[in-house]
Amino acid sequence: GAGVSQSPSNKVTEKGKDVELRCDPISGHTALYWYRQSLGQGLEFLIYFQGNSAPDKSGLPSDRFSAERTGGSVSTLTIQRTQQEDSAVYLCASSPWSYTLYEQYFGPGTRLTVT
Amino acid sequence: DQQVKQNSPSLSVQEGRISILNCDYTNSMFDYFLWYKKYPAEGPTFLISISSIKDKNEDGRFTVFLNKSAKHLSLHIVPSQPGDSAVYFCAASQGGSEKLVFGKGMKLTVNP
Repeated sequence: GAGVSQSPSNKVTEKGKDVELRCDPISGHTALYWYRQSLGQGLEFLIYFQGNSAPDKSGLPSDRFSAERTGGSVSTLTIQRTQQEDSAVYLCASSPWSYTLYEQYFGPGTRLTVT
Repeated sequence: DQQVKQNSPSLSVQEGRISILNCDYTNSMFDYFLWYKKYPAEGPTFLISISSIKDKNEDGRFTVFLNKSAKHLSLHIVPSQPGDSAVYFCAASQGGSEKLVFGKGMKLTVNP
């Protein structure tokens, strides 16, 4: 079946503009995660959604970052007033159940460049 | 402060030989460890995991060893194949948390 998809694959934006990144998880997966990977760094947890529960936003680096998940499926990560330090690859992952940590299936990522 | 460290950025080995990828962690509360493999332009894919109640887990050519006293784990690939060439990430979690803490990754190159 189809894996996790993300769009766009690449995004170049000017500093100060808002951007939206989209994630389509694997159908039926209840958990959805956002990570980012800055140059030379490991993956950094941003936010986690599980079913209808309130999301765990503890990894969001600032209030310019927000995410929502509509209908328990598609998720959008929004970055307002982008800064150059926001440049990174943003990865989305989904999982069929929250405690099976090894079953996080990742999308190919969105490479964001803020000029 | 990095809680999961992969101190060597790269490793090059000959096909058929053993590849050993190392990972150190500082948080003694971590109780579950995972290795992910990542090819260029693709997302990471799960490779193998180990719970802190074990010291070894094996899956085919891949074996992960955990030394809790040293806060160290390693991934052994034997025999290494050119298709194993990728970036390998070590990750950890604690108390069943859904949040994984990743290392910076190590690029493995297996030469034919």
